[in-house]
Amino acid sequence: KAGVTQTPRYLIKTRGQQVTLSCSPISGHRSVSWYQQTPGQGLQFLFEYFSETQRNKGNFPGRFSGRQFSNSRSEMNVSTLELGDSALYLCASSLGSAGEAFFGQGTRLTVV
Amino acid sequence: DQQVKQNSPSLSVQEGRISILNCDYTNSMFDYFLWYKKYPAEGPTFLISISSIKDKNEDGRFTVFLNKSAKHLSLHIVPSQPGDSAVYFCAASSYGQNFVFGPGTRLSVLP
Repeated sequence: KAGVTQTPRYLIKTRGQQVTLSCSPISGHRSVSWYQQTPGQGLQFLFEYFSETQRNKGNFPGRFSGRQFSNSRSEMNVSTLELGDSALYLCASSLGSAGEAFFGQGTRLTVV
Repeated sequence: DQQVKQNSPSLSVQEGRISILNCDYTNSMFDYFLWYKKYPAEGPTFLISISSIKDKNEDGRFTVFLNKSAKHLSLHIVPSQPGDSAVYFCAASSYGQNFVFGPGTRLSVLP
């Protein structure tokens, strides 16, 4: 069974640009969550999608948005990039009920 | 305001000894807790979980203890092995949704 796949693995963008990250969940998983990891901050929850609907949202500005497609694949978009957006962005998929989430390897975004 | 805290950023333990990683939470609505392990350049991997109806869950060398009244949980690794060296994240949720992660503890197991 293929794991969670995130693309691209690495990305360098300049301030003010926008970026789209992609996540393909494990087959059959309908819930996709996105997290931002920065040193010392752990994993900060961005949002969760379930069956193409945003089910939960963390405390991030509106520049961070996402969507989920009918095949459960999800994209995350960050507009007007700031230097502080440099982080590892992780996607996790789960069946949707209580249980462990499976993480992808992440996308390392560097904003210069 | 962090709802899930891991107050030790790092921990060093001798191989073969016990590693104890601690986690505190503030939200009494949390009823499901997980531990994840993360190696560099990889996503976190699930280790062990516990629901609030239990106070202990064991899986091989890993045991998680939950003290609901103290809003505290701990992960015990016995015996510790060099391959256990990683960052450990505690996560909490209510009804299995919207997991809140702690900042992580870096465990180093010394040979």
